[in-house]
Amino acid sequence: KQEVTQIPAALSVPEGENLVLNCSFTDSAIYNLQWFRQDPGKGLTSLLLIQSSQREQTSGRLNASLDKSSGRSTLYIAASQPGDSATYLCAVRDFGNEKLTFGTGTRLTIIP
Amino acid sequence: EAGVAQSPRYKIIEKRQSVAFWCNPISGHATLYWYQQILGQGPKLLIQFQNNGVVDDSQLPKDRFSAERLKGVDSTLKIQPAKLEDSAVYLCASSLEADGSYEQYFGPGTRLTVT
Repeated sequence: KQEVTQIPAALSVPEGENLVLNCSFTDSAIYNLQWFRQDPGKGLTSLLLIQSSQREQTSGRLNASLDKSSGRSTLYIAASQPGDSATYLCAVRDFGNEKLTFGTGTRLTIIP
Repeated sequence: EAGVAQSPRYKIIEKRQSVAFWCNPISGHATLYWYQQILGQGPKLLIQFQNNGVVDDSQLPKDRFSAERLKGVDSTLKIQPAKLEDSAVYLCASSLEADGSYEQYFGPGTRLTVT
């Protein structure tokens, strides 16, 4: 059974800093991995999707990497802004199964 | 392109009452998902539909939860009777198989409080 872990559960950094969020998963036979953002009281917004054959994906100030063999993914946020404050969730999709298994998320606070 | 629509956005009920949530997926998306997200946790899949057929309902508490997707478009999720532990956000998502990514798009969710 796939398990997804995100550490730390909460993170506060000053505005302008670069930061890394971590995600680990137990079963490396994944189809793809998705990073989401969730604002308080809102649904999930997809940020980046990395296929199992890819090593990284970039969108603006966001860069997500994937190391299947070690069961890890990171989300790098450059030049953080207060608007980046939110909960970030990673989710894994296994081969042969469209279901997403989610981590518990990292609550990020950017301090102005 | 319109996103996934859900209603109501908020609902407060007493335990043992019943409640229903509605979801309208993105047009053309064949797969629809219902998730339960308890405060401080990641979403947990309750049920997955492919068109109007059920693909996975292994984590749906079938003694009190039911869901249907008539005509392969809109879907409703019902809880009857509700328990205190059902307090959560219920998220609906849809995906388009044709692009091979199965990327899921989420609605804003319905926040349920059971008192």
